[in-house]
Amino acid sequence: EIVLRQSPGTLSLSPGQSGTLSCRASQTIPMSSVAWYQQKSGQAPRLLIYGASIRATGIPDRFSGSGSGTDFTLTISRLEPEDFAVYYCQFFISTPTFGGGTRVEIK
Amino acid sequence: QITLKESGPTLVKPTQTLTLTCTFSGFSLSASGMGVAWIRQPPGKALEWLALIYGDDDKRYSPSLQSRLTIAKDASKNQVVLTMTNMDPVDTATYFCAHPSDYYDDRAYIAQWGQGTLVTVS
Repeated sequence: EIVLRQSPGTLSLSPGQSGTLSCRASQTIPMSSVAWYQQKSGQAPRLLIYGASIRATGIPDRFSGSGSGTDFTLTISRLEPEDFAVYYCQFFISTPTFGGGTRVEIK
Repeated sequence: QITLKESGPTLVKPTQTLTLTCTFSGFSLSASGMGVAWIRQPPGKALEWLALIYGDDDKRYSPSLQSRLTIAKDASKNQVVLTMTNMDPVDTATYFCAHPSDYYDDRAYIAQWGQGTLVTVS
């Protein structure tokens, strides 16, 4: 069973700063199976990135995904107030698995 | 436009069986490659996948919960039903139904989510 570990658990940033969120898999996984979601309090998750680096429809270009093998990254550039939320990575081959999440909070 | 909406009880007692219905629009579960998933999230915790069904009736379950879960579709009604037996307070969570990417797509992800429904076990 593949496990996804996200770090840090919480990232404290100021608006305008950039942040890097990490997702590490317990074994090598294909880039095509990696996605990132944003979840705001009381809302459903929203797809941000799929295929490790492809932005979903309507997602601003300040969100970017990268990585391969076991290490994947979501970078948020120039944080806007609406970007403060929890972010989850996901691995999906046959069935989906989610990481534990990273909370991006206002510093 | 694809939409999904969950319905069912908000409160169940321990040992009871939970039945949730996902009513969707914008795609057909009669079409090959189309699917519906159930995912839950305990308060303040991470997302947990539960079950998945595709249009060809391929069903998949979380290994840790498989013995308690049943997923079924009614393509004519655009509905998917999830049942979970022997509910316990630890099953208190928001339950989401969701639409995964096409089974035949090279890239796999959850494309759309319902709003979720909070189920409390007490």
